[in-house]
Amino acid sequence: AQRVTQPEKLLSVFKGAPVELKCNYSYSGSPELFWYVQYSRQRLQLLLRHISRESIKGFTADLNKGETSFHLKKPFAQEEDSAMYYCALPRIQGAQKLVFGQGTRLTINP
Amino acid sequence: KAGVTQTPRYLIKTRGQQVTLSCSPISGHRSVSWYQQTPGQGLQFLFEYFSETQRNKGNFPGRFSGRQFSNSRSEMNVSTLELGDSALYLCASSLARVGSGSGETQYFGPGTRLLVL
Repeated sequence: AQRVTQPEKLLSVFKGAPVELKCNYSYSGSPELFWYVQYSRQRLQLLLRHISRESIKGFTADLNKGETSFHLKKPFAQEEDSAMYYCALPRIQGAQKLVFGQGTRLTINP
Repeated sequence: KAGVTQTPRYLIKTRGQQVTLSCSPISGHRSVSWYQQTPGQGLQFLFEYFSETQRNKGNFPGRFSGRQFSNSRSEMNVSTLELGDSALYLCASSLARVGSGSGETQYFGPGTRLLVL
């Protein structure tokens, strides 16, 4: 079955440390992948998509087809990065619908 | 541009009742999708409407239905409410359909929090 998996429900790192949020996917074909973020008391919003290959708020994500991963990385975490992060696939089994992973709650400790 | 708006923001209902939630997309957006967010199941896709037609449906019972109007506003209805329907219901709009490759970025509303007693 085509799906996206975020193995860590919770992740805690110290300010200034590198952070990596894991996302693995199961998909036949060339996937498009997104990272969405939900800050406390804010709306869910797009952080980045792999097709644009851009860096947003210092975050990057590289699609690794060999490892079927799309991990989100930032070299130096900041307190304002504390949020809920979701990896998502826009196609599942031929159907166009956004399917989310379970999410990872990232906490940056001062 | 005004963002996606959802009404009401909070709702308390009892089992067996029905509820209608409303979503106004960003002006010019033609695709509206609905999601259910719960602590246990996370974010789950309910359905997508584009040009007044339901294009996709998630794995939810027939008690969950929706529609889209000619101005792209959408409503979601849940009949015969159950305790397990308590959740945050999110609406998202986009220029194009998700998965179309262009204009597919979804913009989310603040959600309607439904509590079923």
